Amino acid sequence: AQSVSQHNHHVILSEAASLELGCNYSYGGTVNLFWYVQYPGQHLQLLLKYFSGDPLVKGIKGFEAEFIKSKFSFNLRKPSVQWSDTAEYFCAVSPFNAGNNRKLIWGLGTSLAVNP
Amino acid sequence: DTEVTQTPKHLVMGMTNKKSLKCEQHMGHRAMYWYKQKAKKPPELMFVYSYEKLSINESVPSRFSPECPNSSLLNLHLHALQPEDSALYLCASSQTVPAGPGADTQYFGPGTRLTVL
Repeated sequence: AQSVSQHNHHVILSEAASLELGCNYSYGGTVNLFWYVQYPGQHLQLLLKYFSGDPLVKGIKGFEAEFIKSKFSFNLRKPSVQWSDTAEYFCAVSPFNAGNNRKLIWGLGTSLAVNP
Repeated sequence: DTEVTQTPKHLVMGMTNKKSLKCEQHMGHRAMYWYKQKAKKPPELMFVYSYEKLSINESVPSRFSPECPNSSLLNLHLHALQPEDSALYLCASSQTVPAGPGADTQYFGPGTRLTVL
């Protein structure tokens, strides 16, 4: 079965520290890849997405992610976190096929707490 | 504009009540979704509408009844809910496929926080 694995369930960092959140998926075909963020009490927002082309994609708020096809990974990075980055981060994968491309397969999420 | 709106923001209902959640988008998207989300968990897909027709029902209990009156609106009718149905209900929309890679990017509304007493 297709699945998405986020390795870090809880991450605690100090401001200005670097961030890397792992995401691996299990699907052999073409995929669309997403990172969503959910700030406390707010809705899910799209951070960034990858469909094709340059495997290093840049998103909002200084986030970037790198797609490594050979490792089935799509890790999220930020060089220097801020207190305002405290949030839940979800990786999601959409297996791309010509038929029904509706479902997102979600990781369990990573809860990031940034201490000021 | 990537805005999806949802009303109400909060809803408290008893187990015998009937209520409705509403979702609206004006991005010209023809796929719309209902999700249920518990705290600090990923969203769970409930229903997908494509071109105003129900295309996916993830075996959701019949006490949840979706409706898509037109391409911009999506409703979720609630009846005889249980306390375990208390959650954040999210609406999302996307372009339809096949429209090329990336067309399935889903944009989420702020959600309705539902409490069933």
